[in-house]
Amino acid sequence: GESVGLHLPTLSVQEGDNSIINCAYSNSASDYFIWYKQESGKGPQFIIDIRSNMDKRQGQRVTVLLNKTVKHLSLQIAATQPGDSAVYFCAENIFTGNQFYFGTGTSLTVIP
Amino acid sequence: EAGVAQSPRYKIIEKRQSVAFWCNPISGHATLYWYQQILGQGPKLLIQFQNNGVVDDSQLPKDRFSAERLKGVDSTLKIQPAKLEDSAVYLCASSFGSGSYEQYFGPGTRLTVT
Repeated sequence: GESVGLHLPTLSVQEGDNSIINCAYSNSASDYFIWYKQESGKGPQFIIDIRSNMDKRQGQRVTVLLNKTVKHLSLQIAATQPGDSAVYFCAENIFTGNQFYFGTGTSLTVIP
Repeated sequence: EAGVAQSPRYKIIEKRQSVAFWCNPISGHATLYWYQQILGQGPKLLIQFQNNGVVDDSQLPKDRFSAERLKGVDSTLKIQPAKLEDSAVYLCASSFGSGSYEQYFGPGTRLTVT
């Protein structure tokens, strides 16, 4: 089946530094990607999305980069804050289906 | 705007017992999803409804899991009988449409099967 994986299961950063979370996907037919943030005891929360006809999309303090050549997705968080500590998932949507496939997740810890 | 509501938040049962989870999606959202999230993993889709019809249930273990959305609003997910490996968080999500639409997740129901 499809595979959405993350390179690093855990990431620790100092408060104020920038964070980069990576994600690899295997299906070149995927055309829509979402990054979710999940805090302990809560459901995933939408952060930012990107379609396959784009290489980059920016939000408030977050940027998603898509490299279709190597099937790689990254989430950049600027000036990381303690409130950013959570597990981050990438999810891909395959055009021919309705399912979103989620990766395993990366746990981000922000050190004050 | 109220979010996706789920109940109960926590449930502990013994194996071979039955359990049911309830979800109330965001008003006006036609698509409803049930996900299973095992500890340390990403959510896995179990079933997707469009209004009161099933769009995708390919990953639902139909010998023990069932779900319904009779009036196209609330939904119930049932497990009968439960197994130890069913211990997980069960997440409900809703979206305006299917496919490439933002999904809004509820807080989930944490199920422990002993």
